[in-house]
Amino acid sequence: KNEVEQSPQNLTAQEGEFITINCSYSVGISALHWLQQHPGGGIVSLFMLSSGKKKHGRLIATINIQEKHSSLHITASHPRDSAVYICAVLGLKETSGSRLTFGEGTQLTVNP
Amino acid sequence: DAMVIQNPRYQVTQFGKPVTLSCSQTLNHNVMYWYQQKSSQAPKLLFHYYDKDFNNEADTPDNFQSRRPNTSFCFLDIRSPGLGDAAMYLCATSWGAGQPQHFGDGTRLSIL
Repeated sequence: KNEVEQSPQNLTAQEGEFITINCSYSVGISALHWLQQHPGGGIVSLFMLSSGKKKHGRLIATINIQEKHSSLHITASHPRDSAVYICAVLGLKETSGSRLTFGEGTQLTVNP
Repeated sequence: DAMVIQNPRYQVTQFGKPVTLSCSQTLNHNVMYWYQQKSSQAPKLLFHYYDKDFNNEADTPDNFQSRRPNTSFCFLDIRSPGLGDAAMYLCATSWGAGQPQHFGDGTRLSIL
């Protein structure tokens, strides 16, 4: 079992739909990243959070530390949101040397 | 403005011919990371520098080396690339351990 699990693996939506991507983890963490990767491209960090909720434009990320779960929401989705979304947890320094452990990613396709 | 810059974006080399990938940063971050990402897989940490201290992951192949001549630059040297080394190579930086990581656009390496 992976330490970081994302669902769904693939998601297809129509433009304008509200999208949720989920991430569950099984290790102690100091923070959690949500990352975006376009085809053939580098990685863009969307959020880093360790508690509560963060919002940036149409993107919202939440985390529940007790439940070891985070969600990434996209409101009013657009075709340019099509990308792979990766959840990555920053391990505790004493157990993982503050390494990032990545989920497998969620491939999002938004159709016009 | 790009803050973590990787050159080149695409690199083709021959089987067994040494190749060097470059990463530079304008953030003055202390930590620089090299990740390998194969198709449809999560990035895998190869090694990182905390200032001048080099930290190699236990399962990083011996033909992967790194140099950090100064704060701004870090190089990934592959001494004798094999076909299995074809991948996207991502550079990232952070202010310190446990801090948000900023990724470059990556270098896609092909082996002929």
